[in-house]
Order: sequence, then C-alpha cells, then structure tokens
Amino acid sequence: QVQLQQSGAELAKPGSSVKISCKASGYTFTSYAMHWIKQTTGQALEWTGYIAPGSGGTKYNEKFKGKATLTVDKSSSTAYMQLSSLTPVDTAVYYCAIGGYGAYNWFAYWGQGTLVTVSS
Amino acid sequence: DIQMTQSPSFLSASVGERVTLSCKASQNINKYLDWYQQKLGEAPKLLIYNTNNLHTGIPSRFSGSGSGTDYTLTISSLQPEDVATYFCLQRNSWPLTFGSGTKLEIK
Repeated sequence: QVQLQQSGAELAKPGSSVKISCKASGYTFTSYAMHWIKQTTGQALEWTGYIAPGSGGTKYNEKFKGKATLTVDKSSSTAYMQLSSLTPVDTAVYYCAIGGYGAYNWFAYWGQGTLVTVSS
Repeated sequence: DIQMTQSPSFLSASVGERVTLSCKASQNINKYLDWYQQKLGEAPKLLIYNTNNLHTGIPSRFSGSGSGTDYTLTISSLQPEDVATYFCLQRNSWPLTFGSGTKLEIK
C-alpha cells in the first residue's frame, strides 16, 4: 500500500533553515509527482510546489519561490523540502502528497504532516 | 491566482440528512475540481477528483457535481463519521488553490 512517511516536528529559530523529508513506499517513486502543501493553524491550505522525482524538475507557487527548495533522493525514494530564512509566518504543518501528471494531478495520497514551529 | 470560495463556512446537520457544500471559483476551472476531507488531527484525504469521480474506497453517499465556476459536494445521508472539514481544490491553473473549507458537525 502507498505510504508517505514524513519526518518529525521541527523547532527552528528565526532566520534559520529546516529540511523536512517524505519517504515514499508502496509504488514506483518516479511515477508520480511529489507535491508539498502548507497548512497554518487557521486551517488554510496553500500549495507550495511539486517536484518530478524522475527528472528533478520543479514547479513552485510564486509565493514560495526563494522560501522553499524541493529535492529528491531516488536511491532512498525520499523527497525533501528545505525552508529558508524562517520567520514566524512559516509556522505551519507541511504535508507531502503524490499526484499524477497533467490532468491527473489530484492528490491521491498524503503524508501525515510535519509541524514546523519558528520561534526564538 | 484563482480564488476558491466555499460556503457555508460552518454547517450543522442531523444524522441521515442530505448535506450540500458549495465551492465557487473566481473563473472557469473546466471541472478540474477535487474535494478533500480532513478529520481533526489528520491529513486531508481525497474524496472526489475531477468534479464527480469517487476516489477508491470512498462511500457512495459522497457525490460531486458542477461545471464552470460552481461546484457542489453532496452527502446523501450524513453519518457520524463524516464530521470533518471539507476543502475544495482547483487544478485548472497554476498555482493550485484551495478553498477555505466547510466545517461539518452533527446536530
């Protein structure tokens, strides 16, 4: 069965960076795009971007360009999202989710979420 | 960016009742509209994709409809386990955008 296992909660200081992970299993890692979604405590959901694991190609929400960097390690079927220059507004739960390509890119499976807290 | 407006924000209904949730896009999204259910403390879960296609394992009491800018999620007979927040997502244009959610509770 498809599983997306995310790394544990992070507590980070303003101005620092964090790198969270999403380990995939139960399917061919390169067959689906890996998306990242931000959810603030007010429950709003924002799509951050996606990476195509096979090619490493990425597409970002303009709002998150310069904030988020998406990478993958195909050898371990793991996707990563690095968040840089953290501020309190980056405090949120971040989800990874897989989707197909083109018109098939609904988010069929989600990770359990990683809470990132930015506080001094 | 396409704005997605969900209504109502909060809904209270009785077990067995037919429930309708609405999602309106700021422009035509060509039926590239999904519905997700999020229970408290859990990740969102896909219910319906491309307006009216039920995801694997989702009960048939859930259905979707719509076109253009207006979309609807219907629960034909509300069950206690349907207590959750429901989000719509448009995938017609980048960036992908979510609605703000409808929180559904049992009366």
